[in-house]
Amino acid sequence: SQKIEQNSEALNIQEGKTATLTCNYTNYSPAYLQWYRQDPGRGPVFLLLIRENEKEKRKERLKVTFDTTLKQSLFHITASQPADSATYLCALEGGSYIPTFGRGTSLIVHP
Amino acid sequence: SQTIHQWPATLVQPVGSPLSLECTVEGTSNPNLYWYRQAAGRGLQLLFYSVGIGQISSEVPQNLSASRPQDRQFILSSKKLLLSDSGFYLCAWTRGTGNTIYFGEGSWLTVV
Repeated sequence: SQKIEQNSEALNIQEGKTATLTCNYTNYSPAYLQWYRQDPGRGPVFLLLIRENEKEKRKERLKVTFDTTLKQSLFHITASQPADSATYLCALEGGSYIPTFGRGTSLIVHP
Repeated sequence: SQTIHQWPATLVQPVGSPLSLECTVEGTSNPNLYWYRQAAGRGLQLLFYSVGIGQISSEVPQNLSASRPQDRQFILSSKKLLLSDSGFYLCAWTRGTGNTIYFGEGSWLTVV
C-alpha cells in the first residue's frame, strides 16, 4: 500500500540552528512533492514544491531536496527562529487530482 | 486574486443531528475541490474530491456526503452525526495536478 512517513516525534532545536525534517514514501512515483506549514487551529499553508527532475529547491531560509531513488525528501530551515515553530507536512499526488499528506512533524524552536 | 472561504468556523452538534459545512472559492474557475478531516493529533484524511460540477468521489466510506451544486461551491453534509465525526474539517482547492493546494480557514466540529 502507499505510505507517506514523517517523524511523529516533535523536533526540538535551539534558535539559530538548522532544522531538518524527513519525508519518506513507498509505492508512489510522484512527479513532484510539496511541503506545507500548519499552525494550530489553521489550515496548511504552501511553502515549496519540488519536481522529480529537481534535486534541490530553495526559498529564503528554506531548502528542499528530493531523492527519487531513496524515495525521500528532506526539508531544511536554516537559522531557525521561534516563529518557525509549527507542524510541517509533506504532500504527494497518489492518483488523479488526489493530494495525499503525511501526518506531519512538529518543530519546536527554543529561544 | 483567489480566495477560499468555509463556514461555520465552529459548531457543536448533538449526536444524530444533521450537518452542513459550506465552502466557496472566488477568483478562479473549474477548480478541483477537496474536503479533508483532521482528528486531534492526526494527519489530514481526504474525505471527498470533485473535479467538476456534480462530480464527487468519496475516499472513505462513512455517514458523510458531499455535493458541488455550483462550480465554486462545495458542501459537506450528514443526515445524522456520530461522535466519531468530531474533528477539524478543511476545504481546499487546486487548479489541477502539480499545483499549490489552498486551504480554507477550517471548521471545528464537536459532536456531543
